Amino acid sequence: EPEVTQTPSHQVTQMGQEVILRCVPISNHLYFYWYRQILGQKVEFLVSFYNNEISEKSEIFDDQFSVERPDGSNFTLKIRSTKLEDSAMYFCASTSGDGYEKLFFGSGTQLSVL
Amino acid sequence: GQNIDQPTEMTATEGAIVQINCTYQTSGFNGLFWYQQHAGEAPTFLSYNVLDGLEEKGRFSSFLSRSKGYSYLLLKELQMKDSASYLCAVPSFSGGYNKLIFGAGTRLAVHP
Repeated sequence: EPEVTQTPSHQVTQMGQEVILRCVPISNHLYFYWYRQILGQKVEFLVSFYNNEISEKSEIFDDQFSVERPDGSNFTLKIRSTKLEDSAMYFCASTSGDGYEKLFFGSGTQLSVL
Repeated sequence: GQNIDQPTEMTATEGAIVQINCTYQTSGFNGLFWYQQHAGEAPTFLSYNVLDGLEEKGRFSSFLSRSKGYSYLLLKELQMKDSASYLCAVPSFSGGYNKLIFGAGTRLAVHP
């Protein structure tokens, strides 16, 4: 089965530093998402992306966050100035957009902000 | 908006049957998903229900009652590897785009 791939699997950074999390969605998918999961908490929606623009973002996705599809395959999440509370597992996901919105998740990036 | 409720934890014995319930409230209904998530891993798709009734898929079945805002996931012949969190999720459709909203998950521990 096709996969969503994410790199790196783990990222450790200092508070205030910028991080970029990378994702390669499934090649024929049209909708891309970032979710996060703080340890012991639920999977939370951050942002959705379609046709090279943000289609929806949650209240978590403030000005410190941005997403980009710099080429035809990669989909990135940037956190400009990380905070301790940004420590979480970040999942990228994609769907085909055929109306049956089964999300395919990547294996996640565990971000630790020290 | 959406509201999803699931029990926080359940325990069961290997070989037994367990039912994990989910109640939901949505402003519009576009189906209900169940995902499995092992600790430290990504959620993986188990089932999708859009019509009332029971959908069976091997050892796992999922039931939906739209009028009651209720679903359950039934796991039969439990195995140790079924120890995981089970996430109930509903699509939220806004501005022409869908996203999945997840419940907090039910952590299932299977004991020998």
